[in-house]
Amino acid sequence: NAGVMQNPRHLVRRRGQEARLRCSPMKGHSHVYWYRQLPEEGLKFMVYLQKENIIDESGMPKERFSAEFPKEGPSILRIQQVVRGDSAAYFCASSPPEGTGALNMAFFGQGTRLTVV
Amino acid sequence: GENVEQHPSTLSVQEGDSAVIKCTYSDSASNYFPWYKQELGKRPQLIIDIRSNVGEKKDQRIAVTLNKTAKHFSLHITETQPEDSAVYFCASTFYGGSQGNLIFGKGTKLSVKP
Repeated sequence: NAGVMQNPRHLVRRRGQEARLRCSPMKGHSHVYWYRQLPEEGLKFMVYLQKENIIDESGMPKERFSAEFPKEGPSILRIQQVVRGDSAAYFCASSPPEGTGALNMAFFGQGTRLTVV
Repeated sequence: GENVEQHPSTLSVQEGDSAVIKCTYSDSASNYFPWYKQELGKRPQLIIDIRSNVGEKKDQRIAVTLNKTAKHFSLHITETQPEDSAVYFCASTFYGGSQGNLIFGKGTKLSVKP
């Protein structure tokens, strides 16, 4: 059972370009969370999604950032017109659906390190 | 919204000593409290968790205690080893009708000196 897979591991974008970060949850997991981590700082919640639904996007900046988790395929975090302040590690986590009997633990991917130059 | 405070921000101990990290949470509805360990440049990894229906949980050298009345929980590492050096994050959430997102503390950088 592969863990949470994120790609790319490293992404370099010039200011004004778009960044697309992908996350494939663990097999059987239907909940996906995105977190941002600045150097030497903690994990800041951005958005929580289930298949085809955004459950909580209270941590997402109002502009330029969007997320989706389609019925088929990975979850995508999209950052339009990137700026230097967007440089960070973006981690995705997944957890199993309610009522599966599994512990409701969130497992993290390896992260995507975005550098805006 | 939910807020999680974590202390200390840095902790240095001698190999073999114990380390204690404390967290407080604000939402009395929170019922799940995991701890994550993050080594430099790597993903956060779940090391232990506790649910609100128990007061203490232990796994070898790691233990977590929960005081629901005071709304705080702590991580205890005994007989520390150099490989325990990492940043540790506490988190809390409410798992109810729909699972909620984890809210993390700011982290504690633990250094274990040989």
